[in-house]
Amino acid sequence: GQQLNQSPQSMFIQEGEDVSMNCTSSSIFNTWLWYKQDPGEGPVLLIALYKAGELTSNGRLTAQFGITRKDSFLNISASIPSDVGIYFCAGQVSGTYKYIFGTGTRLKVLA
Amino acid sequence: NAGVMQNPRHLVRRRGQEARLRCSPMKGHSHVYWYRQLPEEGLKFMVYLQKENIIDESGMPKERFSAEFPKEGPSILRIQQVVRGDSAAYFCASSPLGGDHEQFFGPGTRLTVL
Repeated sequence: GQQLNQSPQSMFIQEGEDVSMNCTSSSIFNTWLWYKQDPGEGPVLLIALYKAGELTSNGRLTAQFGITRKDSFLNISASIPSDVGIYFCAGQVSGTYKYIFGTGTRLKVLA
Repeated sequence: NAGVMQNPRHLVRRRGQEARLRCSPMKGHSHVYWYRQLPEEGLKFMVYLQKENIIDESGMPKERFSAEFPKEGPSILRIQQVVRGDSAAYFCASSPLGGDHEQFFGPGTRLTVL
């Protein structure tokens, strides 16, 4: 079946640093979504990407849809304590309605 | 403008009982997805429904699990004869158009089977 590799699995960073995480797939995706999940809550949509090469920003967050349609990255600039949480990528496999989720990147910000 | 609502937020069942999880999509959304999440893992797709239709149930276990999204009322995920391995967080997401459009998640139902 389809696999979605997300890295890194976890990160400890200092407040103010930039963060980068990425997802790679063995399959071609039509859409990439990036979510943040806090403990005990549902995922919250951060950025949606619909076209290969697309670069989209949402405040301090920037995400790109890879040219090969098999990868995506998310950058967070100037991290703050409330950025703590688990970040998931999700890709929609071409020809299906399903989204495949990555295993998550656990971000911890040290003040 | 209410978001996706799920209830109950927490559900405890004994082995062999039935669990019913409800999801009310965002206003104007007619596409619902159910996912399951185990601790420290990502979300696993279970089923995709439109009003009165199951579009893709390829992620649902063949036995004991069923889902519906009636013309009126919330979507229901039903688990019969629960076992300990069913303990997980179950999330519902809704979308205005389905397909490759973004999905918005509810807060989840945490099912614990004793």
